Amino acid sequence: DGGITQSPKYLFRKEGQNVTLSCEQNLNHDAMYWYRQDPGQGLRLIYYSQIVNDFQKGDIAEGYSVSREKKESFPLTVTSAQKNPTAFYLCASSIPQGGVIQYFGAGTRLSVL
Amino acid sequence: GDSVTQMEGPVTLSEEAFLTINCTYTATGYPSLFWYVQYPGEGLQLLLKATKADDKGSNKGFEATYRKETTSFHLEKGSVQVSDSAVYFCALSVVSGGYNKLIFGAGTRLAVHP
Repeated sequence: DGGITQSPKYLFRKEGQNVTLSCEQNLNHDAMYWYRQDPGQGLRLIYYSQIVNDFQKGDIAEGYSVSREKKESFPLTVTSAQKNPTAFYLCASSIPQGGVIQYFGAGTRLSVL
Repeated sequence: GDSVTQMEGPVTLSEEAFLTINCTYTATGYPSLFWYVQYPGEGLQLLLKATKADDKGSNKGFEATYRKETTSFHLEKGSVQVSDSAVYFCALSVVSGGYNKLIFGAGTRLAVHP
């Protein structure tokens, strides 16, 4: 079955530690996205990538980094510079054209120890 | 700028009641409009979409009509079930900086009781 796989489902970060969230898709989509979801709020865009080896900052990129070395994979690193990382992180993918559906993974819940 | 405003939740209904969740938007140009649903502990799933004025999206008994004159895309269902309990997000899609940007409302939690 085609879809988006995020791992791990739960992740804990210690102070000063970088952690990486995995996102893999087998939908053959060029575009991929990372969103952050906080309680009672909508989703906010962290980073997006329209093509391999290219990515752009979204609305809240500070304290995060990404890479796009393969079409299928778009990992997100939450760095120690992100002072409030506790949130639910969602990865999505789509074809790049406007107005099309974005497909979402099941999410990773990150907490700080 | 582009934005989406949804009615605040939680919305609490009895089974078989009628559901309306209001959504209005502000956008330049002609956005596509979406409703996504999020079940507890899961990611978002597309519920329905509409790409132009007067289009009606429908799925699983839910409907929403793209009203350009009132900039609205209200979600309705005639008879809700307990299994419809979830958070519902209204979203619009615009092309910004050459990419497909989704802008979400804050979400509305629906709780349906037997």
